[in-house]
Amino acid sequence: NAGVTQTPKFQVLKTGQSMTLQCAQDMNHNSMYWYRQDPGMGLRLIYYSASEGTTDKGEVPNGYNVSRLNKREFSLRLESAAPSQTSVYFCASSEVLAGGNEQFFGPGTRLTVL
Amino acid sequence: GENVEQHPSTLSVQEGDSAVIKCTYSDSASNYFPWYKQELGKGPQLIIDIRSNVGEKKDQRIAVTLNKTAKHFSLHITETQPEDSAVYFCAANNQAGTALIFGKGTTLSVSS
Repeated sequence: NAGVTQTPKFQVLKTGQSMTLQCAQDMNHNSMYWYRQDPGMGLRLIYYSASEGTTDKGEVPNGYNVSRLNKREFSLRLESAAPSQTSVYFCASSEVLAGGNEQFFGPGTRLTVL
Repeated sequence: GENVEQHPSTLSVQEGDSAVIKCTYSDSASNYFPWYKQELGKGPQLIIDIRSNVGEKKDQRIAVTLNKTAKHFSLHITETQPEDSAVYFCAANNQAGTALIFGKGTTLSVSS
């Protein structure tokens, strides 16, 4: 089992460009999450999907959109990238919502917006 | 809003010493408290968790204690080893049970 996989590993964008971060999990988990990690800020939740077909905003959703393509895949889209979106992005999954279940994290995507 | 505070932000110990990281949370409805370890260039990985009906949990050299009255919980690592060097995050679930709120992390350095 690969667990949670993310592509790409690294990306450099210019301000205003768009891109989609891909995430897939092979653990048959119902819930999936997107976080961003900035120095000294910990992990902040951008969006989550409790189950296939549902998505909800987290703490910092502005400038992002998500798609729960199927049970395995959850993508994060930046429509018009800004320097403030320079960060490391982590996808995670859990059997059910975060209430009391282990979240499994992917290896991260390091994004730089110039 | 819901908040988790974590201290210290950096911690340096000698190999074999103990390390303690402390967190406080604001939402009295929180009932799940995981601890994650993040090695350089990798995603966080769960090392231990505790639920509100338990005051202490131990797994080999790692233990977590929870004081619900004071709304704080702590990670204890005994007999530290260089491979324990990493960033450690505490977290608590929010009232709705939809998300984990993370602390800002503690960078632990264990020198041999």
